[in-house]
Amino acid sequence: DSGVTQTPKHLITATGQRVTLRCSPRSGDLSVYWYQQSLDQGLQFLIQYYNGEERAKGNILERFSAQQFPDLHSELNLSSLELGDSALYFCASSVGGEEEKLFFGSGTQLSVL
Amino acid sequence: GESVGLHLPTLSVQEGDNSIINCAYSNSASDYFIWYKQESGKGPQFIIDIRSNMDKRQGQRVTVLLNKTVKHLSLQIAATQPGDSAVYFCAEQGYGQNFVFGPGTRLSVLP
Repeated sequence: DSGVTQTPKHLITATGQRVTLRCSPRSGDLSVYWYQQSLDQGLQFLIQYYNGEERAKGNILERFSAQQFPDLHSELNLSSLELGDSALYFCASSVGGEEEKLFFGSGTQLSVL
Repeated sequence: GESVGLHLPTLSVQEGDNSIINCAYSNSASDYFIWYKQESGKGPQFIIDIRSNMDKRQGQRVTVLLNKTVKHLSLQIAATQPGDSAVYFCAEQGYGQNFVFGPGTRLSVLP
């Protein structure tokens, strides 16, 4: 167990809908990262938060947004969902310094039908 | 759950043999590297890391080798076991940058 908790484990929804994925980082970790993993691609970095502030942005669509709350948990909001958004979404956390390993949650499997 | 990367390169090894998984990284400025293991239905799990001031690091049954000249990273697993069957990712990071993950290699351990 990595100590990173993600909910829900599975999410099935329809095109055009909006969903929220939740992540609780390891105790003491200030940084939260969101990654997308689809069948034909590796782990694609979406966004990083550090202590409540956005620190880095990757290949995140405008339809997607995230935030990190004062208790350090994070939410990833996906809206106007399309079939191509079906993927595994992972949250990872780290203490927040440089050259630190990331600890991953078990992911949320999103299926858009 | 879904299988990760159905079309990933696959390495098949006999149980008890040693496995070598290779990774070519892209950024010559990368100075920190990690190997992750991902089992079906689970998130990536940290295996071992290495910094650019080293060329070899050993863990329990695993060794990571770094060749900065050719930008190559390898993961050696000794006495491969059925529980080692998984997808293995390398990840590189430059100072002030986010991790970039490789496409992954599927390791299949044959009985």
